[in-house]
Amino acid sequence: AQSVSQHNHHVILSEAASLELGCNYSYGGTVNLFWYVQYPGQHLQLLLKYFSGDPLVKGIKGFEAEFIKSKFSFNLRKPSVQWSDTAEYFCAVSVFSGGGADGLTFGKGTHLIIQP
Amino acid sequence: DARVTQTPRHKVTEMGQEVTMRCQPILGHNTVFWYRQTMMQGLELLAYFRNRAPLDDSGMPKDRFSAEMPDATLATLKIQPSEPRDSAVYFCASGSGQGVFNEQFFGPGTRLTVL
Repeated sequence: AQSVSQHNHHVILSEAASLELGCNYSYGGTVNLFWYVQYPGQHLQLLLKYFSGDPLVKGIKGFEAEFIKSKFSFNLRKPSVQWSDTAEYFCAVSVFSGGGADGLTFGKGTHLIIQP
Repeated sequence: DARVTQTPRHKVTEMGQEVTMRCQPILGHNTVFWYRQTMMQGLELLAYFRNRAPLDDSGMPKDRFSAEMPDATLATLKIQPSEPRDSAVYFCASGSGQGVFNEQFFGPGTRLTVL
């Protein structure tokens, strides 16, 4: 079974700082990779996704992620964070089992706090 | 703007009571997922359906949980009897399930508190 590991459970940054959140997964086959964001009291929103092709994917709100297959990693980055980026960030993976895509396996999440 | 809807948004009940949560997937999506979010376990997949047929419910406690799709526009998750450890936010998500592409759209969740 696949698993997802997020290295940082809590991250505190100042506005304008650069952000990188680590994510590693374990699965040897074809995977789809996602980053979701959950603002306080709200539901999950998709930030970006990787299915195939260019390993550097750009998402909403200035976020991007790079898929490095050899490292089984899909790290999330943003050059300059804003106070409004304070949220919980989840990395997720789904596998393709032939009949269609399976449910998502999520990491434990990273709680990001941006200080003004 | 197509969205996944869930009802109720909040539910407080007493231990032993039956709880039913409902989800309306995005029209045209043929895959529906149920997830549970707790502080301790994070987000876990409970079950999912494709074309209304259950594909995987291995994440769901079988003795008290049941999931169904009476029709293409409604998915239900029932807990009977409910226990305090079932307190969590339950999310429904839907997707088109086409080939390798599996973008899922999440509903707002049902926050369940079992006293």
